[in-house]
Amino acid sequence: DAKTTQPTSMDCAEGRAANLPCNHSTISGNEYVYWYRQIHSQGPQYIIHGLKNNETNEMASLIITEDRKSSTLILPHATLRDTAVYYCIVSPYNFGNEKLTFGTGTRLTIIP
Amino acid sequence: EADIYQTPRYLVIGTGKKITLECSQTMGHDKMYWYQQDPGMELHLIHYSYGVNSTEKGDLSSESTVSRIRTEHFPLTLESARPSHTSQYLCASSEDLSSRYGYTFGSGTRLTVV
Repeated sequence: DAKTTQPTSMDCAEGRAANLPCNHSTISGNEYVYWYRQIHSQGPQYIIHGLKNNETNEMASLIITEDRKSSTLILPHATLRDTAVYYCIVSPYNFGNEKLTFGTGTRLTIIP
Repeated sequence: EADIYQTPRYLVIGTGKKITLECSQTMGHDKMYWYQQDPGMELHLIHYSYGVNSTEKGDLSSESTVSRIRTEHFPLTLESARPSHTSQYLCASSEDLSSRYGYTFGSGTRLTVV
């Protein structure tokens, strides 16, 4: 599976957009980009995933560059409850062989 | 909303005791997983199952064992607990990675072996 690189930590002011970058320069054609977050040692929570098109749901937007070597997770209006560790993961979508490997993630702190 | 339950939430136990951490899901998911996470550290996959009577070891070697006799139930057992087993254990399930919720995680069991 491709590796990802994320900043160790980031701060964002409450109410502003939080933009979390992720580099995955060795991503292969059948690998998706997934984002999860973990709030204070609770179980990780799925946020969003995508292959090559930009995606949006009620939680966030995912912007994937055209060459798919990097992506950005956008939380449009960050709140204090968004303080968490955010994980960017790439993994093939392959029935019977799906295991997500979590890295160290980005610790996002929302500042009041 | 998806539901996956882990019990107990916290467990303090003496060295040498046998323990079983419970994980149950009500979503009918075939795939289930156990991750281990030390405080402030990465999650490591220790066991997974793709269905009844299917169990595999994960990326991190673990002295624990698992069983999958029923779709909804994926317990993890330590035959003889040691202080090195002190950690948080997180259970997850998935239908497939394209599903709306991806992996669904339980709240975890925080195990302390004294």
